[in-house]
Amino acid sequence: NAGVTQTPKFRVLKTGQSMTLLCAQDMNHEYMYWYRQDPGMGLRLIHYSVGEGTTAKGEVPDGYNVSRLKKQNFLLGLESAAPSQTSVYFCASSDRDNNSNQPQHFGDGTRLSIL
Amino acid sequence: GENVEQHPSTLSVQEGDSAVIKCTYSDSASNYFPWYKQELGKRPQLIIDIRSNVGEKKDQRIAVTLNKTAKHFSLHITETQPEDSAVYFCAASRGTGRRALTFGSGTRLQVQP
Repeated sequence: NAGVTQTPKFRVLKTGQSMTLLCAQDMNHEYMYWYRQDPGMGLRLIHYSVGEGTTAKGEVPDGYNVSRLKKQNFLLGLESAAPSQTSVYFCASSDRDNNSNQPQHFGDGTRLSIL
Repeated sequence: GENVEQHPSTLSVQEGDSAVIKCTYSDSASNYFPWYKQELGKRPQLIIDIRSNVGEKKDQRIAVTLNKTAKHFSLHITETQPEDSAVYFCAASRGTGRRALTFGSGTRLQVQP
């Protein structure tokens, strides 16, 4: 049981390049999230998904797109990378409970640098 | 939307002392309040959480208290040890809708041996 797995772990891009970050979870969780973490700040929500085939914007969605074609995978895309997107990206997932929140489980993160 | 403020930003204590980190939130509909510990270069790890129907929760040396009326919650670590040194984040979320977490800005705890 690997939990939440993110690939790649590190990546350096040039401004204007595109790339996709992959998040995979093996816990059969309904909810999945992408956060970014910048120095001295907490994690901020980029996009999220409440189930297969559904996605929605979070607090800082500009410049990113997401897809959830399969329940276990949540992809984060950067169409045209900008230096402001240099950050550590964390994926998380949580189970569904109609009455309350369930704990979020985080991946190890992807450290992305845009030159 | 929700706004979570966390204080202090840094905290230095002697080994064996207690540490307290405080957070306030703005959305009265928030009902879930987890605390995460993050070591350098690692993922956030859930250490304790509390729901709005409970005022206090303990797990060995860690406790969290919640005051719904004042909209604040606190993390208490007793008998601190050097391995408690890390960045701690509070967070809040609603029990409906997206259920995404809104994080505080973090507290860097340094436990001096």
